[in-house]
Amino acid sequence: QLVLTQSPSASASLGASVKLTCTLSSGHRFYAIAWHQQQPEKGPRHLMKLNSDGSHTKGDGIPDRFSGSTSGAERYLTISSLQSEDEADYYCQTWGTGIQGVLFGGGTKLTVL
Amino acid sequence: EVQLLESGGTLVQPGGSLRLSCAASGFTFSSYAMSWVRQAPGKGLEWVSAINGGDGGTLYADSVKGRFTISRDNSKNTLYLQMSSLRAEDTAIYFCAKGDLMAASGQIDYWGQGTRVTVSS
Repeated sequence: QLVLTQSPSASASLGASVKLTCTLSSGHRFYAIAWHQQQPEKGPRHLMKLNSDGSHTKGDGIPDRFSGSTSGAERYLTISSLQSEDEADYYCQTWGTGIQGVLFGGGTKLTVL
Repeated sequence: EVQLLESGGTLVQPGGSLRLSCAASGFTFSSYAMSWVRQAPGKGLEWVSAINGGDGGTLYADSVKGRFTISRDNSKNTLYLQMSSLRAEDTAIYFCAKGDLMAASGQIDYWGQGTRVTVSS
């Protein structure tokens, strides 16, 4: 069964870097994912598509501070030079074949200290 | 610029029905899949349904299958979600979302701001 697992929370200091993780379930390590950001009281915003080989395509206007990488079944979102507006919930999303539809991870709440 | 504007959310009684709409602009609407995604209070994102660009094939989450119907009017650049037999657990903000390809199952690359649905007596 296709499942995405995210840690519920993460924290890092202003100006530092943070690496968020999304883990694909067993047997699904070659799936691409997308990362989305949801700031408080706002709709989500697409950040990037991240492929299994680590290549990624960012969405419109996404700063260079946001990058993606891959290791096996793990998909990472790295945010460098953290700013206060990066404090948000971050969701990974993938998609199945046929009737499986779309799937989200549980989200990671990032606190910028 | 891609814009997605949802409407139709309101307070509805359990067992009732409601239709949400999403007006799209800034892209060739008929060529892309569209989805509805919801977020219950204090919870994460839950995909609800998606519809292909082109042939209009549909997909549903098990939680809404048989109760919700997704549709689109390409002449009006509008996406719909017809919700019936509503339950308290359907209470959520409903987001309209654009897919990056024609296939219903794929990456979401744009989001609307959402419309709030409350199911309560």
